[in-house]
Amino acid sequence: IAGITQAPTSQILAAGRRMTLRCTQDMRHNAMYWYRQDLGLGLRLIHYSNTAGTTGKGEVPDGYSVSRANTDDFPLTLASAVPSQTSVYFCASSPTGYTDTQYFGPGTRLTVL
Amino acid sequence: QKEVEQDPGPLSVPEGAIVSLNCTYSNSAFQYFMWYRQYSRKGPELLMYTYSSGNKEDGRFTAQVDKSSKYISLFIRDSQPSDSATYLCAMRGSGNTPLVFGKGTRLSVIA
Repeated sequence: IAGITQAPTSQILAAGRRMTLRCTQDMRHNAMYWYRQDLGLGLRLIHYSNTAGTTGKGEVPDGYSVSRANTDDFPLTLASAVPSQTSVYFCASSPTGYTDTQYFGPGTRLTVL
Repeated sequence: QKEVEQDPGPLSVPEGAIVSLNCTYSNSAFQYFMWYRQYSRKGPELLMYTYSSGNKEDGRFTAQVDKSSKYISLFIRDSQPSDSATYLCAMRGSGNTPLVFGKGTRLSVIA
């Protein structure tokens, strides 16, 4: 069982380019989350999905979009990347939403130049 | 003031020492308290989970919650070099409320 996989592991991106970070889980968890982690700021929630077909905004949603077409996949899209989006991005999942323990993926290191 | 405050460290201790990691919070609605451990270049993993006030022990780790003081602690006994990591506290209220994380404390246990 892989748990949560994220791709790519790392990426360098030119400003203005579109980028999709992929996240797949094989635990059949209903809820999924995207966080960014920055030095001195900790983990901040970008978007979440409590179940397939629904999404919601977290603390720092601007510049990001998500979709949840099925239970397993939760891609995060940067429509037009900016340098302030340089960060480490973590996908997480939990069985049934905020009331459960969250399990994190290995992260994607994104650098926007 | 952020909802959750955590000293970022770094904290450096000798092998075998007792380590105390702490977080304070301002939201009295928080009821569920967690500690995550994050190794370098890895995702966070859940270490301890407690509900409301009290202590919880798991091997060398003890989580303590004092809701009256809005203060939580993680104690590590007989610390090992393999405990070197960043420790993040996290907490949330009841119902469908999001997890709020501390910024993490970086711990180094020196052999």
